[in-house]
Amino acid sequence: KNQVEQSPQSLIILEGKNCTLQCNYTVSPFSNLRWYKQDTGRGPVSLTIMTFSENTKSNGRYTATLDADTKQSSLHITASQLSDSASYICVGVSGTYKYIFGTGTRLKVLA
Amino acid sequence: GAVVSQHPSWVICKSGTSVKIECRSLDFQATTMFWYRQFPKQSLMLMATSNEGSKATYEQGVEKDKFLINHASLTLSTLTVTSAHPEDSSFYICSARVIAFTDTQYFGPGTRLTVL
Repeated sequence: KNQVEQSPQSLIILEGKNCTLQCNYTVSPFSNLRWYKQDTGRGPVSLTIMTFSENTKSNGRYTATLDADTKQSSLHITASQLSDSASYICVGVSGTYKYIFGTGTRLKVLA
Repeated sequence: GAVVSQHPSWVICKSGTSVKIECRSLDFQATTMFWYRQFPKQSLMLMATSNEGSKATYEQGVEKDKFLINHASLTLSTLTVTSAHPEDSSFYICSARVIAFTDTQYFGPGTRLTVL
């Protein structure tokens, strides 16, 4: 069964601190893994896309890693800002375009 | 990047009425659009896949007669919630598929539906 699990469910950090979000996936056939940021009441916005052969990919202060052997991914946020407060969703893509969504990690950055 | 819009951004309606939500790809054509529903603190759940010029494909458990989907052009798909009830209150998000360098879905900003 295709599924994507994320941890922690929620996280509170102080502004300027770093944090790492985790994602375990079981997706077959595996195409790629994506991280999205979803602000409250808005649609998801793409942060990173990684295929089987990619181990790490950065987008500004966001760095995603992928371990295809253990089927794990992480999203590291550096020097957090108040605007980083959002839900972060890990998505495993199966086949051509079937998206399997994780339940997300709700991040709150405090001043 | 590709921009997808939704209209309205929020709607409140009485139980028993029908509500239409529009999803538009603003600067590209999309032969395939998707409709998702998201309940509070939950992830997106795929409702149906909408292909231009053909009938939508609904996920298991989604009533096609209740959630009418029309994809009449390459830039517009509509979702009509017929005879809405309070349990239909949710956040509805559409996405448009772009097959270019990567096969990617671009998401709209969502529509908040509240049924009284």
